[in-house]
Amino acid sequence: DVKVTQSSRYLVKRTGEKVFLECVQDMDHENMFWYRQDPGLGLRLIYFSYDVKMKEKGDIPEGYSVSREKKERFSLILESASTNQTSMYLCASSLAYLLGGETQYFGPGTRLLVL
Amino acid sequence: TQLLEQSPQFLSIQEGENLTVYCNSSSVFSSLQWYRQEPGEGPVLLVTVVTGGEVKKLKRLTFQFGDARKDSSLHITAAQPGDTGLYLCAGLTGNQFYFGTGTSLTVIP
Repeated sequence: DVKVTQSSRYLVKRTGEKVFLECVQDMDHENMFWYRQDPGLGLRLIYFSYDVKMKEKGDIPEGYSVSREKKERFSLILESASTNQTSMYLCASSLAYLLGGETQYFGPGTRLLVL
Repeated sequence: TQLLEQSPQFLSIQEGENLTVYCNSSSVFSSLQWYRQEPGEGPVLLVTVVTGGEVKKLKRLTFQFGDARKDSSLHITAAQPGDTGLYLCAGLTGNQFYFGTGTSLTVIP
């Protein structure tokens, strides 16, 4: 079974702090994704990566950065957390480039509260 | 950004009833997926449809992709409490999936 793990289930941070969210997948998938999920808005793509050290902006990259130094690990960084970044953050991975609708496997999510 | 609208946003029904969830957009998608998300977990893929007009059945769940590939529906027959969860559609255009706004389903025993 594919397993995508996220470093924390719940996180509370203060405004202005630097926040790291870590994601690890164990199935040698090329693609990895970071989404945020907000009620009534569905999932919105922040960044994705299709190879080590490669990254592409999604729909809402402002205020975020990412790092992929190893194939299995994809990190999301909030350089200076703000209250409007309070959300559920979901990491996902998939086997190949999304040309035919390959399955995305999601982690359990990190619920981040910024005070 | 292509926005996929799902309706209804919330649905609460009795066990044994039938229901349909809709996913609509003004954009054309090359494929469309449905996911179910249970509380405290990430979404899990249920089905992928790729051809306009395609119908796929998964036990009591029937998925249809619209002829014009702009919309989709999910029909559940004889709903059970285990069907409770958040249902998300996701349409593929270019190299990115765009997720719908979600339908939260509660099946009451």
